[in-house]
Amino acid sequence: QKEVEQNSGPLSVPEGAIASLNCTYSDRGSQSFFWYRQYSGKSPELIMSIYSNGDKEDGRFTAQLNKASQYVSLLIRDSQPSDSATYLCAVDLDSSYKLIFGSGTRLLVRP
Amino acid sequence: EAEVAQSPRYKITEKSQAVAFWCDPISGHATLYWYRQILGQGPELLVQFQDESVVDDSQLPKDRFSAERLKGVDSTLKIQPAELGDSAMYLCASSLTGSTEAFFGQGTRLTVV
Repeated sequence: QKEVEQNSGPLSVPEGAIASLNCTYSDRGSQSFFWYRQYSGKSPELIMSIYSNGDKEDGRFTAQLNKASQYVSLLIRDSQPSDSATYLCAVDLDSSYKLIFGSGTRLLVRP
Repeated sequence: EAEVAQSPRYKITEKSQAVAFWCDPISGHATLYWYRQILGQGPELLVQFQDESVVDDSQLPKDRFSAERLKGVDSTLKIQPAELGDSAMYLCASSLTGSTEAFFGQGTRLTVV
C-alpha cells in the first residue's frame, strides 16, 4: 500500500462545476496535510494546508480532512479552464516533518 | 517576494558524466528538501536538511548521489556518474523549522543522454 494515494485521473469537469479531488494516507499519526497545484512542466505550488478535522475554505478552494477515515479532499468551486493542472496531495506522515506526496490527480476543466 | 532559487533550470548531460544542482532556500528557512520527480509521478524525497545536518537521506542513492549544505544556507546535489534513469525534474523546497509547509523552487530539468 502506498503511503499517500490519489486517483491519477484525468478528472474532467465542465467550466463552472465543482471539482472534487480525494487523497488517502496510511499513517494515523499524521497531523499536517497539504494540496499543491502543478502545471505541466512547472514546479508544485502550495495552495492549501489543513491540520484539523473539518473544512477549511480559501476563496474557491475548500480542503476537507477526516483523520478517523484517513482521507483529505480538495473541492474547487466554479472551476475554470485555468484550474486545469495536476493536484498533488502531500502529508507529513507520522508527524516526522517529512513531506510525502501522492502521485497526483490530473484535472481537466472543459470550457 | 521571497522564493527558492535553483540553478540551472535545464541540464543535458551524457551518461557517466557528473552533474550538480544548486539551491538557495527562502531566507530564514532552516529546513531544506531535495525531491526528484519523474514524469507522471509525485515528487519523491531524496534528502532533508535541518540547518547543515542531514535529517533523512534514506531514499538517496548514495553510490552516485551526494548532497551537502555546508553553512546551513544554500545546498548542492551532485550525481556522479549520471545514468539514463536519472532523467527527471529535481526540485528543491524549504520550510521554517517545525513546519512542513514547504515552498518549491522552479526545479532543474535533467536529461541524461
